[in-house]
Amino acid sequence: SQQGEEDPQALSIQEGENATMNCSYKTSINNLQWYRQNSGRGLVHLILIRSNEREKHSGRLRVTLDTSKKSSSLLITASRAADTASYFCATDDTGFQKLVFGTGTRLLVSP
Amino acid sequence: GAVVSQHPSRVICKSGTSVKIECRSLDFQATTMFWYRQFPKKSLMLMATSNEGSKATYEQGVEKDKFLINHASLTLSTLTVTSAHPEDSSFYICSASRDTTLNTEAFFGQGTRLTVV
Repeated sequence: SQQGEEDPQALSIQEGENATMNCSYKTSINNLQWYRQNSGRGLVHLILIRSNEREKHSGRLRVTLDTSKKSSSLLITASRAADTASYFCATDDTGFQKLVFGTGTRLLVSP
Repeated sequence: GAVVSQHPSRVICKSGTSVKIECRSLDFQATTMFWYRQFPKKSLMLMATSNEGSKATYEQGVEKDKFLINHASLTLSTLTVTSAHPEDSSFYICSASRDTTLNTEAFFGQGTRLTVV
């Protein structure tokens, strides 16, 4: 299955700054999900946005979806050192949780 | 939220042996489970779709005889890495699908780090 591309591959910022990650995908989707992974551990689900939604918020997270451009972005505001992790977008074209993951963005937040 | 348990979390095995990884949905029935593989500093790649009571569906390039999947009950899928080689060393992670609910988050296990020596 073809993966989406994430941009940037790596991002290094200071605490308090905002972090923006972008995801592009290739096929039509039912929903797009964002996950966080701390250094070789399991996945933490962050947010799910359906194909008929354009923007969604959860705490310090804001996700946008542009289906015409087949792209999504994840914004983390007021970042903290604890946000240091890899972030993956994943598309679901069936709606039944069969996911195609993007290439990931490694975020480093320095104190 | 729903819980998916994966066991073991870490395993080291010798080349040529087989290793079984279990994925259990603890509080819901999952007729479908998915197995992913992740190489160091890489993304997750879908290996196969595990279907309760029927054969698994493998993604292109994944050897079905190498990675045996059994989904014998509505709460358990197993992945057996047969005749393991060092190149099979990887992080394997499963997810379970709540088939009856469209457009919800996937529920992932904690992952299994396999090292073949």
